[in-house]
Amino acid sequence: DIVMTQSPDSLAVSLGERATINCKSSQSVLHSSNNKNYLAWYQQKPGQPPKLLIYWASTRESGVPDRFSGSGSGTDFTFTITSLQAEDVAVYYCQQYYTTPFTFGPGTKVDIK
Amino acid sequence: EVQLVESGGGLVQPGRSLRLSCTTSGFTFGDYAMSWVRQAPGKGLEWVGFIRSKTYGGTTAYAASVEGRFTISRDDSKSIAYLQMNSLKTEDTAVYSCCRVYGGYDYHAFFDYWGQGTLVTVSS
Repeated sequence: DIVMTQSPDSLAVSLGERATINCKSSQSVLHSSNNKNYLAWYQQKPGQPPKLLIYWASTRESGVPDRFSGSGSGTDFTFTITSLQAEDVAVYYCQQYYTTPFTFGPGTKVDIK
Repeated sequence: EVQLVESGGGLVQPGRSLRLSCTTSGFTFGDYAMSWVRQAPGKGLEWVGFIRSKTYGGTTAYAASVEGRFTISRDDSKSIAYLQMNSLKTEDTAVYSCCRVYGGYDYHAFFDYWGQGTLVTVSS
């Protein structure tokens, strides 16, 4: 199984500042046939189901604000909120969909400082 | 508007069975693979399994933790996905959510719509 890790476990950022989350996979999720990274990011607010934000490591889902972005390739990925808003308080998960079993990272909790 | 609504959760004793339903609307159900993801209380997300669309043979895949005990099926005429859970264990206690697999990616699933989930508690 591909094991996903995330760092940090939690972070507190001032409003308007940048939040950065790292995600690492135990093996590459870059598919050589199409040069795509099979990596998604989700946001989960308390009491709500997760919401898809990013897929193919860097493609923003329709309607997602452009302050959310993803980057990276192979085994190392980064998720960034460029200017944290109050409504961004949530737990963020990465997920690999390169192969079954599809696996999620343990999550990173983002709070306001 | 795409909607997914789970039902069938509740309290069940270890070793017993339970069937969850995911009733959907707002999209052509038969065109999409569907998945189940669970979240134990206060924990992270765990993929349970999924069922591909009929276009891709309607085949299934499962996490090792549920393989042989859980079965996912679908009724395209009713736009419903099911999760049959047998031989339940206390560690199966979680909120179970059904998810729509992003269109066309029946072999590499990520999830664009999620239901609110239904709580399954396995306890004696």
